[in-house]
Amino acid sequence: NAGVMQNPRHLVRRRGQEARLRCSPMKGHSHVYWYRQLPEEGLKFMVYLQKENIIDESGMPKERFSAEFPKEGPSILRIQQVVRGDSAAYFCASSQGRGNTEAFFGQGTRLTVV
Amino acid sequence: RKEVEQDPGPFNVPEGATVAFNCTYSNSASQSFFWYRQDCRKEPKLLMSVYSSGNEDGRFTAQLNRASQYISLLIRDSKLSDSATYLCVVNIKAAGNKLTFGGGTRVLVKP
Repeated sequence: NAGVMQNPRHLVRRRGQEARLRCSPMKGHSHVYWYRQLPEEGLKFMVYLQKENIIDESGMPKERFSAEFPKEGPSILRIQQVVRGDSAAYFCASSQGRGNTEAFFGQGTRLTVV
Repeated sequence: RKEVEQDPGPFNVPEGATVAFNCTYSNSASQSFFWYRQDCRKEPKLLMSVYSSGNEDGRFTAQLNRASQYISLLIRDSKLSDSATYLCVVNIKAAGNKLTFGGGTRVLVKP
């Protein structure tokens, strides 16, 4: 039973390019979270999704960032026109979406914008 | 006020000592609670769930105080390998079962 899979593990983009981060949840999990973590800082919530539905995107920057979790396939976090300040670790977690269930994290994608 | 608040620390702990720290939450409708551990540059990993009656897992004890809206984590006989950031997590059913993370408490165990 594979855990949460994120790819790529490391991603380098030049300023102005697009970054696509993928997250495949654990088997049986229908809810996905995305978090961003800057060096020496805590996890910052970005977005909470259910398949084909965004439940809470209150942590997403208003521009350039979008997320989706289609019926088939992984969840995608998309960052358009990346800037140096987007350099961070992006973690995805998945859960069953029920009250007493915990979430499990992927190993993260480290984005470096040069 | 943040939904979930933690003392960022660091808590400097001599090896073998006991350390305890709390996490407060603001939403009284919070339903379930967890402690996660995050090592430097790694993903957070579930340490333990927190039950209403309190629970223990080896050297780790978690408590929930619903009246005062806080949970606690106690680590006995600290090991060097316990050095990490401990994240408090609260599930709020009214928010679609969204898990909300605290900022973390850093613990440094020293010889």
